[in-house]
Amino acid sequence: QKEVEQNSGPLSVPEGAIASLNCTYSDRGSQSFFWYRQYSGKSPELIMSIYSNGDKEDGRFTAQLNKASQYVSLLIRDSQPSDSATYLCAVNGGSTNAGKSTFGDGTTLTVKP
Amino acid sequence: EPEVTQTPSHQVTQMGQEVILRCVPISNHLYFYWYRQILGQKVEFLVSFYNNEISEKSEIFDDQFSVERPDGSNFTLKIRSTKLEDSAMYFCASRGDGNTGELFFGEGSRLTVL
Repeated sequence: QKEVEQNSGPLSVPEGAIASLNCTYSDRGSQSFFWYRQYSGKSPELIMSIYSNGDKEDGRFTAQLNKASQYVSLLIRDSQPSDSATYLCAVNGGSTNAGKSTFGDGTTLTVKP
Repeated sequence: EPEVTQTPSHQVTQMGQEVILRCVPISNHLYFYWYRQILGQKVEFLVSFYNNEISEKSEIFDDQFSVERPDGSNFTLKIRSTKLEDSAMYFCASRGDGNTGELFFGEGSRLTVL
């Protein structure tokens, strides 16, 4: 079983639509959850972090966490072509090493004009 | 905006050669990391470094790898005898104090081993 699993892509949405990205994780002790955006050939860029159950909104992005279901998601509202990228879910597995993240394979999103 | 810088952006080397990848973390950050990403695969943790010593390393980080902070700004990853399977993008990351785990990545160093 993969430690961090993301919904397989690629995901394609029209401009202006809502893109929904999902992630599940296996370590119940996980404390911190992150979404990174990675453009092709570039480095991961942190776009959202979430630490407690519920929703966290930042502009067009909303992260949702459900620790009981071991599930974290990212919603992108009013999707723009510039949102086209691979989105990486990363989880800190509850170790004392706060920066040691386990990444999923990523979901590639394409927003079509 | 402060950023993590890495050099070189791309290095091509022959199998068996030593390679040093360099990173300058964000100046007030205390925790430093190396991750790697083989083409088409996931980002993988290699090593973390704090207070001038390795705090954790993955099973990938075997004896051919080493890290060093030779001065107050640089953070280096050395691969002593490169193998073909070391070909990957190597990302340096840093984070500040606190326990949030939010990482700031450099642009990466692409290593190609021939």
